[in-house]
Amino acid sequence: QIQLVQSGPELKKPGESVKISCKASGYTFTDYAMHWVKQAPGKGLKWMGWINTYTGKPTYADDFKGRFVFSLEASASTANLQISNLKNEDTATYFCARGFRLFDYWGQGVMVTVSS
Amino acid sequence: DVVLTQTPPTLSATIGQSVSISCRSSQSLLHSNGNTYLNWLLQRPGQPPQLLIYLVSRLESGVPNRFSGSGSGTDFTLKISGVEAEDLGVYYCVQSTHAPWTFGGGTKLELK
Repeated sequence: QIQLVQSGPELKKPGESVKISCKASGYTFTDYAMHWVKQAPGKGLKWMGWINTYTGKPTYADDFKGRFVFSLEASASTANLQISNLKNEDTATYFCARGFRLFDYWGQGVMVTVSS
Repeated sequence: DVVLTQTPPTLSATIGQSVSISCRSSQSLLHSNGNTYLNWLLQRPGQPPQLLIYLVSRLESGVPNRFSGSGSGTDFTLKISGVEAEDLGVYYCVQSTHAPWTFGGGTKLELK
């Protein structure tokens, strides 16, 4: 069955970096784009951007340009999100979700806590 | 950017009651290819969102048919015909017609 399994929770200090992963199984990884979505505690969903899993080309929403990097390990059917120079406002759950326009499968989410 | 406005923000319902959620867009979601890319998601407490409806009215596989979607252009509605306990959570509309994709603010469905 189709699954997106994300890495575990992270506790970081301001200024540090974090890399979280999203491993896909049950389908051909390069056939579907992968989105990244942020959910701050108690808040709604915010689209961060997507990565073309065939070409590796990322597209970032305006609020996520600069410190955020989407990447792939296509041979491992894995998409990654790296956030550098972490700020308190990066504290959130980060989801990966499949499909260019569809969002049909989601990872379980990774809670990233930024605290000094 | 397209702004999606969901109403009401909170909805109280009894089991078996039928309810509707509105999603209004700041611009038409009709794509030049003729499709309207408006989806509905449900996020149960402590869970990731799940896709309920795509392309305005198409039911995702495995989703009960008490859920239905309708609308066109800028006005869309999700209807639940007979709320069940498992339907409680936050409902989001999301558009993928105009980049950047955007989500509505959410509607929390709770038990009365």
